[in-house]
Amino acid sequence: SAVISQKPSRDICQRGTSLTIQCQVDSQVTMMFWYRQQPGQSLTLIATANQGSEATYESGFVIDKFPISRPNLTFSTLTVSNMSPEDSSIYLCSVGRGVAEAFFGQGTRLTVV
Amino acid sequence: AQSVTQPDIHITVSEGASLELRCNYSYGATPYLFWYVQSPGQGLQLLLKYFSGDTLVQGIKGFEAEFKRSQSSFNLRKPSVHWSDAAEYFCAVGAGATNKLIFGTGTLLAVQP
Repeated sequence: SAVISQKPSRDICQRGTSLTIQCQVDSQVTMMFWYRQQPGQSLTLIATANQGSEATYESGFVIDKFPISRPNLTFSTLTVSNMSPEDSSIYLCSVGRGVAEAFFGQGTRLTVV
Repeated sequence: AQSVTQPDIHITVSEGASLELRCNYSYGATPYLFWYVQSPGQGLQLLLKYFSGDTLVQGIKGFEAEFKRSQSSFNLRKPSVHWSDAAEYFCAVGAGATNKLIFGTGTLLAVQP
């Protein structure tokens, strides 16, 4: 398995501001993923972040709104930009190890007011 | 396109009773299938996974799941539910050999004393 730490665990932010979420893994991993879980809903993949290349975004998500960094094999950040109340969600970092095996962090619960 | 359907949004069972949570998937090739559990305020924990081989898969916490290709199903079962099993359960399919997952909408399990 992999131990994944996300910071912050929760935050309340003003609309129009940005929040950067950090994801730290206890070992080197090739693939890291960012998911969003809107209130009462399932998880939706935002993007895949591979070290040394641009993140790959899923349909409906754009880099200007959710810029991602992946400076090394153990760390990634997701920024939620120009936030609105609709961005209130849990954001989860996930890492892959082996074939089709994903581990998740505890998530960041974001409330935009 | 790949998709996962969990027909039951909310299930209530009595403690000690058996449990079956349904999951149907749509995928063009042999799927990688997963069940995750999310307790309130927690991240996702992997219960079990199916890649190939024996279609009956054993997981943690006494859970098992059976892959039925003819029915495109991967139902989760437990013979005797404990109060601590109350949580939300997500079925997911792996998109190819990557660690990218497509999740169902989840089933919220309540356990009555």
